[in-house]
Amino acid sequence: DVKVTQSSRYLVKRTGEKVFLECVQDMDHENMFWYRQDPGLGLRLIYFSYDVKMKEKGDIPEGYSVSREKKERFSLILESASTNQTSMYLCASSPGTGRHEQYFGPGTRLTVT
Amino acid sequence: GENVEQHPSTLSVQEGDSAVIKCTYSDSASNYFPWYKQELGKGPQLIIDIRSNVGEKKDQRIAVTLNKTAKHFSLHITETQPEDSAVYFCAASSPSWGAQKLVFGQGTRLTINP
Repeated sequence: DVKVTQSSRYLVKRTGEKVFLECVQDMDHENMFWYRQDPGLGLRLIYFSYDVKMKEKGDIPEGYSVSREKKERFSLILESASTNQTSMYLCASSPGTGRHEQYFGPGTRLTVT
Repeated sequence: GENVEQHPSTLSVQEGDSAVIKCTYSDSASNYFPWYKQELGKGPQLIIDIRSNVGEKKDQRIAVTLNKTAKHFSLHITETQPEDSAVYFCAASSPSWGAQKLVFGQGTRLTINP
């Protein structure tokens, strides 16, 4: 089975702090994604990566950056956390090469106070 | 453009009845349509998907239908059971969006009443 793990299930940070969310997949997938999930808005794509050191902006990249130094790891960075970044963050991976199905991690619920 | 609309936002059905969730998409080039189920405290899990060259796909009690002309697709769950209670998301993918990107609907909270 594909396994996508996220470093924390719950995280509480202060406004202005730098926040790192880590995601690791164990199936040698090409693509990795970061979403945020908010009630009534579904899943919105923040950033995605289709190869090591490659990244593409999603629909809501403002206030976020990402890093993919190794194929299995994709990190989401909040340079200066703000209260409107309080949300559920979901990481996903997909095989690539024409296969679209995405596999999700359990999510990190981030609260910024 | 990239837009997927999902209805209804909440759905309550009696155990044993059927449930239907509908989605519409905006990009006529969309060619892949997955459905995800998210249980409480977990990430979304793929339950069924369909490609644009197929009109219907079934897997036991769940089925998905696709109408390319009308640009909508639906999830059908028959003989519903309490464990079907969850939030369901539809999504669409288009070659013009790049890198197997998915655009998700807003989600439907399905409650099965015993």
